[in-house]
Amino acid sequence: EVQLQESGPGLVKPSQSLSLTCSVTGYSITSNYWGWIRKFPGNKMEWIGHISYSGSTSYNPSLKSRISITRDTSKNQFFLQLNSVTTEDTATYYCARYSSSFDYWGQGVMVTVSS
Amino acid sequence: DVVMTQTPVSLPVSLGGQASISCRSSQSLVHSNGNTYLHWYLQKPGQSPQLLIYRVSNRFSGVPDRFSGSGSGTDFTLKISRVEPEDLGDYYCLQSTHFPRTFGGGTKLELK
Repeated sequence: EVQLQESGPGLVKPSQSLSLTCSVTGYSITSNYWGWIRKFPGNKMEWIGHISYSGSTSYNPSLKSRISITRDTSKNQFFLQLNSVTTEDTATYYCARYSSSFDYWGQGVMVTVSS
Repeated sequence: DVVMTQTPVSLPVSLGGQASISCRSSQSLVHSNGNTYLHWYLQKPGQSPQLLIYRVSNRFSGVPDRFSGSGSGTDFTLKISRVEPEDLGDYYCLQSTHFPRTFGGGTKLELK
């Protein structure tokens, strides 16, 4: 069974970088696409971006200048880095597999941006 | 960006009753390959979103047949028949035809 698990700090200071890891078991990240999605307080959901089976990436233009999605195939993990965070980046961050839809999701990690 | 307008925002239902949620997109969701990438999710409190319906009308593995999706082009509907307590939560539509992927604003299904 495909399982995903996010990890990373729950609190980040404004202007710093947010770094999250998604660890995948039961399926290789060298197949399909692997994405990051966030849900804001108030329930709005936003697609952040994804990394493909080949390592190519696609980002939401609203975040493109600040984000980077990378991977380590030896550990079957992929990563999100979001730079220059503000309080508006406070959200629950999810990683998910994309296979014509986001079909398997991690449990999510709540990240608060605050000084 | 494709704007996904989801209605209603709140939907009170009785157990055993029927619910219907609408999702309209600001442009056609028909991909150049002929597929329509419109999906439905349920998020229960404290859980991550779970896929219910993919590509308009296909139930994901393990999803009861009480859930059905329909629609085409820019107008889509999720129907839930014989609502059960485990169906309560927040429902979202998602389009993945166009970049960036975009979600509807959500519908809270709650008891009347």
